[in-house]
Amino acid sequence: DTAVSQTPKYLVTQMGNDKSIKCEQNLGHDTMYWYKQDSKKFLKIMFSYNNKELIINETVPNRFSPKSPDKAHLNLHINSLELGDSAVYFCASSQESFGGGHRETQYFGPGTRLLVL
Amino acid sequence: SQKIEQNSEALNIQEGKTATLTCNYTNYSPAYLQWYRQDPGRGPVFLLLIRENEKEKRKERLKVTFDTTLKQSLFHITASQPADSATYLCALKASSASKIIFGSGTRLSIRP
Repeated sequence: DTAVSQTPKYLVTQMGNDKSIKCEQNLGHDTMYWYKQDSKKFLKIMFSYNNKELIINETVPNRFSPKSPDKAHLNLHINSLELGDSAVYFCASSQESFGGGHRETQYFGPGTRLLVL
Repeated sequence: SQKIEQNSEALNIQEGKTATLTCNYTNYSPAYLQWYRQDPGRGPVFLLLIRENEKEKRKERLKVTFDTTLKQSLFHITASQPADSATYLCALKASSASKIIFGSGTRLSIRP
């Protein structure tokens, strides 16, 4: 059973296009996240939702818009893709966002490799 | 400014030896620190958590220490095996923060 799943696994697209990445978790967790990992492997948080409510919104271009239809799903839509958006995007979930310690442990999906040409 | 740094980008050691990875932080008051393992093409996987009032945690061949005076955590893998080869990430949660901050990782290679 896949705990946190993402689709697609690979995404190759032209500059200026709009694309979406989907994420689902079957762990019953309340909190979900989007992270971006660049070529230097630096993992940086972009957004976090707790029970469908946005709780973390880092300094991310407003071309990126997360949507959480329910607490098991968190999708990421990207408008007007740019070359610099090329990276691996990870979805993650945790039991809580403020439970402390193990309840905030992140469970990551397999990642979506985005390449903008 | 706040920083979390893993000093070694890569570490190569002989099978059977103890691997020691370092995570340093500045200008944080940590609540806890975590270590994750990331294999190529996969997402990070949680390994261990240590709280700011704990000195040491162990799990099988893994050991984590936390020194809030030195502002440093050490991650040890004893009796290392080629299967331990991966990138290891430290992640810190500050007491007043709403998010976990990740270091850039250390790529560990264990040669047979």
